[in-house]
Amino acid sequence: QKEVEQNSGPLSVPEGAIASLNCTYSDRGSQSFFWYRQYSGKSPELIMFIYSNGDKEDGRFTAQLNKASQYVSLLIRDSQPSDSATYLCAVNSGGSNYKLTFGKGTLLTVNP
Amino acid sequence: DAGVIQSPRHEVTEMGQEVTLRCKPISGHNSLFWYRQTMMRGLELLIYFNNNVPIDDSGMPEDRFSAKMPNASFSTLKIQPSEPRDSAVYFCASKRGLGETQYFGPGTRLLVL
Repeated sequence: QKEVEQNSGPLSVPEGAIASLNCTYSDRGSQSFFWYRQYSGKSPELIMFIYSNGDKEDGRFTAQLNKASQYVSLLIRDSQPSDSATYLCAVNSGGSNYKLTFGKGTLLTVNP
Repeated sequence: DAGVIQSPRHEVTEMGQEVTLRCKPISGHNSLFWYRQTMMRGLELLIYFNNNVPIDDSGMPEDRFSAKMPNASFSTLKIQPSEPRDSAVYFCASKRGLGETQYFGPGTRLLVL
């Protein structure tokens, strides 16, 4: 059973702080890693994806990947109340170019 | 451009009834996915179509579930007969070719009483 594990939270940070979201995965064959944001009652939307070990930055968001440790993280700098949402980590299963296994998500609350 | 369109947005039905969920993918997208989201199990892939052909239906829970994609702009997910444990949010998503981004529709919230 391919698994993606996330701390369910809630993770609470003050406005302007760095929020750190973590994810581990079990399938060593996975090549692509995704972070989706899901507001309450809405559908998931892709924030970032990463393929290679190291960091990938996009604005206030940084994705970090460590394949040896099977660990993916998402850092949100200068957190805003509008970042309050559930963040879903997803991993492509067995190297598939279409099949994603999702974690159950971490609820992030940014307090003004 | 319009995003992925799903209907109905909400469905309340009684156990044993047939339920049909509908999806219109983004124009030009040739991959379509049906997902189910529950608190207990999270977001799970039910079935994947490529160029209107079902490629992977390993996530379909049982024979009560069926999905079709008669053309590039329309897909249905049918549950017959429905059971209370089918209550969930069902999302349709589409993507273009080998592109990585799956675009999700607004979802259908299904409640089976």
